[in-house]
Amino acid sequence: EMQLVESGGGLVQPGGSLRLSCAASGFTFSSHGMHWVRQAPGKGLEDISGITSNGVITFYANSVKGRFTISRDNSKNTLYLQMGSLRAEDLAVYYCARVLRGTKNAFDIWGQGTMVTVSS
Amino acid sequence: QSALTQPASVSGSPGQSITISCTGTNSDVGDYNSVSWYQQHPGKAPKLMIYDVSNRPSGVSSRFSGSKSGNSASLTISGLQAEDEADYYCNSYTTNFWVFGGGTKLTVL
Repeated sequence: EMQLVESGGGLVQPGGSLRLSCAASGFTFSSHGMHWVRQAPGKGLEDISGITSNGVITFYANSVKGRFTISRDNSKNTLYLQMGSLRAEDLAVYYCARVLRGTKNAFDIWGQGTMVTVSS
Repeated sequence: QSALTQPASVSGSPGQSITISCTGTNSDVGDYNSVSWYQQHPGKAPKLMIYDVSNRPSGVSSRFSGSKSGNSASLTISGLQAEDEADYYCNSYTTNFWVFGGGTKLTVL
């Protein structure tokens, strides 16, 4: 079964850091672009970062640029999001999503999400 | 990186058809045939329903269809069923990034 499993969420103080992980299984991880998408409580989806299959090219939303870093380890089938200088507005469920090969934005597999709470 | 515009809510009765619009600009929806649609039930992860404007992934009902005209895309659900009640989001590729719509809550009356 193809699946993504996020981990690493939790409670962090404003200004703090957190690293999210997304473990992939059941498919060839190194063949797919990957994204992180977040959803604040009661709000819509926000695509915050993406990375190409080989990890060479990365993309960031203006809301996280300079504070978050996306990376991947294809030998471990794992995607990461290093989050720094966290703010109250970063409170959200964070999902990782796989990009269907041959498309630009068909996110065909999603993880279950991990909650990040930023509070003192 | 401005969000695409969707109606906040739509509703329909079982068996009817509804259409959800997604309006962007000539830098996103109007410039690329890379529009996708997602269904999200409360507390669940989003599910891909349509990609590249009108393609359905394997396993998605043929009751779901997509189209595009100019800077706007649409998702049509025919033969509404109770389980279609959910939030729906569109997404478009734009130059070097991706943008979601604000979401539409579909209520099946």
